[in-house]
Amino acid sequence: GAVVSQHPSWVICKSGTSVKIECRSLDFQATTMFWYRQFPKQSLMLMATSNEGSKATYEQGVEKDKFLINHASLTLSTLTVTSAHPEDSSFYICSARARGVRDTQYFGPGTRLTVL
Amino acid sequence: QKEVEQNSGPLSVPEGAIASLNCTYSDRGSQSFFWYRQYSGKSPELIMFIYSNGDKEDGRFTAQLNKASQYVSLLIRDSQPSDSATYLCAAHASGGSYIPTFGRGTSLIVHP
Repeated sequence: GAVVSQHPSWVICKSGTSVKIECRSLDFQATTMFWYRQFPKQSLMLMATSNEGSKATYEQGVEKDKFLINHASLTLSTLTVTSAHPEDSSFYICSARARGVRDTQYFGPGTRLTVL
Repeated sequence: QKEVEQNSGPLSVPEGAIASLNCTYSDRGSQSFFWYRQYSGKSPELIMFIYSNGDKEDGRFTAQLNKASQYVSLLIRDSQPSDSATYLCAAHASGGSYIPTFGRGTSLIVHP
């Protein structure tokens, strides 16, 4: 149980284009999903927290207009990187927390984004 | 500023030895603590969590929590080369949100 998927697992795009990453909880309802970014040899950086049906809460320094997060259902959250630039190239990881669970989160496999 | 501190390592231990990974946290109100293992190029996977002072054992892993010292540790017994990874410690904030704060991780190398 507690499986989280992400799609795509990797994506290469041209500078200026937008990229959408999906995060799905496959066998549980996720009332909260987290989006992280991780640069090589760096730790996880929390970008935003999204709760189903409400606007995402972004961490300080993360541009909400550049990283659009939608958590439209209890099993799906999407992160759209708009007008991507090479400095946005990173490993994006989502995690999900089940309904009624206080703090345990389950991570997706991650999406590696390369912007040319 | 809530912080979780870990020695980046690498910590190198021989196969079969006990690996001891340590973590300190700044938020005294933190309620729960998690250890994750992350292989290179992969996402973190949950190893175990601990809420109460003392030890919690799960197979070869033992988590230890000392809230008075704001200290969490993870012991890995009978270390195997497959345990070689980065180990992330996370503390969950007090209050209703339980937003996690991650340490930078400790790199563990288990050599044959």
